[in-house]
Amino acid sequence: DAKTTQPPSMDCAEGRAANLPCNHSTISGNEYVYWYRQIHSQGPQYIIHGLKNNETNEMASLIITEDRKSSTLILPHATLRDTAVYYCISGRGGSTLGRLYFGRGTQLTVWP
Amino acid sequence: GAVVSQHPSRVICKSGTSVKIECRSLDFQATTMFWYRQFPKQSLMLMATSNEGSKATYEQGVEKDKFLINHASLTLSTLTVTSAHPEDSSFYICSARDSRGGDTIYFGEGSWLTVV
Repeated sequence: DAKTTQPPSMDCAEGRAANLPCNHSTISGNEYVYWYRQIHSQGPQYIIHGLKNNETNEMASLIITEDRKSSTLILPHATLRDTAVYYCISGRGGSTLGRLYFGRGTQLTVWP
Repeated sequence: GAVVSQHPSRVICKSGTSVKIECRSLDFQATTMFWYRQFPKQSLMLMATSNEGSKATYEQGVEKDKFLINHASLTLSTLTVTSAHPEDSSFYICSARDSRGGDTIYFGEGSWLTVV
């Protein structure tokens, strides 16, 4: 599975958009990009995932570059409750879908 | 979204004993579930893939005889930590694959194991 690279930490003002980058330059054609977040002492919360096209749901938007080597998670209006560690993960489809290898993620801190 | 539930959320056991952690998919069937372990201030580490009706697949370095996995039904996988030692104290998390459109992976709330 492709290795992902994320900045260790980011800050964002409440109400502003939080843009979290992720590099996955070795991603292969059948690997999805998943985003999860984890608040201390809880299980990871699913945010969004995509393969090639940009995706949007009620939580966030996922922008994947055309060459698929990087992506950006956008939280359009960050709140204090969005403070968490955000993980960008690549995972294969098919029978091995779900075997996710987590990196260190990005600690997002939303300040008032 | 789909719900994956773990039980117990916290457990304390004595060294040498075994402890079982359950992972249930509450509103979908999951032929495949996954078990992770997370030590404090570290990221999640995939331990094994739990397959309904067949043997689990373990990641390299994970002792299959120590971490017994059973996936007897489409909604339940169990992880049993056998002969637990203090170094097994950790946060254990399961996930399940929801194949109903989109193949989304959902995680449970996690289970804290403390071995004393």
